[in-house]
Amino acid sequence: KAGVTQTPRYLIKTRGQQVTLSCSPISGHRSVSWYQQTPGQGLQFLFEYFSETQRNKGNFPGRFSGRQFSNSRSEMNVSTLELGDSALYLCASSLNGVPYNEQFFGPGTRLTVL
Amino acid sequence: GQNIDQPTEMTATEGAIVQINCTYQTSGFNGLFWYQQHAGEAPTFLSYNVLDGLEEKGRFSSFLSRSKGYSYLLLKELQMKDSASYLCAVSGGSYIPTFGRGTSLIVHP
Repeated sequence: KAGVTQTPRYLIKTRGQQVTLSCSPISGHRSVSWYQQTPGQGLQFLFEYFSETQRNKGNFPGRFSGRQFSNSRSEMNVSTLELGDSALYLCASSLNGVPYNEQFFGPGTRLTVL
Repeated sequence: GQNIDQPTEMTATEGAIVQINCTYQTSGFNGLFWYQQHAGEAPTFLSYNVLDGLEEKGRFSSFLSRSKGYSYLLLKELQMKDSASYLCAVSGGSYIPTFGRGTSLIVHP
């Protein structure tokens, strides 16, 4: 069974630009969560989508948004990029999400903002 | 708010046993998770505890005491490949997971 895939794996952008990251969950998984990982803050929850609806949201500004499609694939968008947005963005899928008892993480997208 | 504390770094010898502690303060509780993350790789799920007590899974065991806000991950018969970061995460009342900064475990021969 194929794992969680994320594209692109690496991305370089400049301040003020916007970026879209993609995540394809494990087949049959309906929940997709997004995380930001930085050396300073560790792993932080961004949001979770289940059946095309945002079910939970972490403490991030509105520049961070996402969506989920009917096939459970999810995209995350960051607008007006800031230097501090440089991070590894991970998505994780699970069968039904709550209570996050076993999530399967993708390899991540390494975003560098110059 | 949520607060998760775990040691930054630990070292141990191959074949030995190591215990990684995690203390937490959260608003509500819906379970505690341990993940392993090798450098440059994604985290992988190790364990989930929602009731007090010890859960054993092969060489890895995880313990939870909800009244003390405390958990530990026990790794037995350490192998070199166990060198990794170990993340403690708590699912609070809203089910949103809060992660600790991770404990970097170095296993040496």
